[in-house]
Amino acid sequence: DAMVIQNPRYQVTQFGKPVTLSCSQTLNHNVMYWYQQKSSQAPKLLFHYYDKDFNNEADTPDNFQSRRPNTSFCFLDIRSPGLGDAAMYLCATSADRGPYEQYFGPGTRLTVT
Amino acid sequence: GENVEQHPSTLSVQEGDSAVIKCTYSDSASNYFPWYKQELGKRPQLIIDIRSNVGEKKDQRIAVTLNKTAKHFSLHITETQPEDSAVYFCAASFNNNDMRFGAGTRLTVKP
Repeated sequence: DAMVIQNPRYQVTQFGKPVTLSCSQTLNHNVMYWYQQKSSQAPKLLFHYYDKDFNNEADTPDNFQSRRPNTSFCFLDIRSPGLGDAAMYLCATSADRGPYEQYFGPGTRLTVT
Repeated sequence: GENVEQHPSTLSVQEGDSAVIKCTYSDSASNYFPWYKQELGKRPQLIIDIRSNVGEKKDQRIAVTLNKTAKHFSLHITETQPEDSAVYFCAASFNNNDMRFGAGTRLTVKP
């Protein structure tokens, strides 16, 4: 059973054209995370939501924004994608703040042309 | 912020041998240390995790040890099998607030 769902799995966008990636979860978890993973690199945390509380990483570019309209859904908006933003974007959830397992979605592979 | 270093970057072992991957972290406040396995094109999957109040944890062929004083933790895989071949990431955080991953270790198990 899918627990963390990401749509679409593959996304192609043009340089500078805004794009939105979607994540949903059936776990009713309080915390949702967005990671960027470039080829042959480790996942890099962009930001996370604890309930409605948004927590941005200091080195996340302003070009990346996020919305969490309800517990189940979280969106990643890239306002003006550059070629360097091509990557796998991973959504993850955890039950609550604290030392709990993070459950990852399958990822969305973003290509920028 | 937290900084995690992972070694080696690549590891090749013969089937049946053991594999050890080591990580160090910088933030003494970190209290959660998961290990993820990622196969090509797939999501990271948690294989084992350890919290700062224990020094060792084992799950069948996989074990993790944590040395808080030295700020390092290690993954041990015994009796390796070809299906263990993947990229392994260690990570560290304080309460998952700012999870930092190591650079990854590409493990190859040769039949």
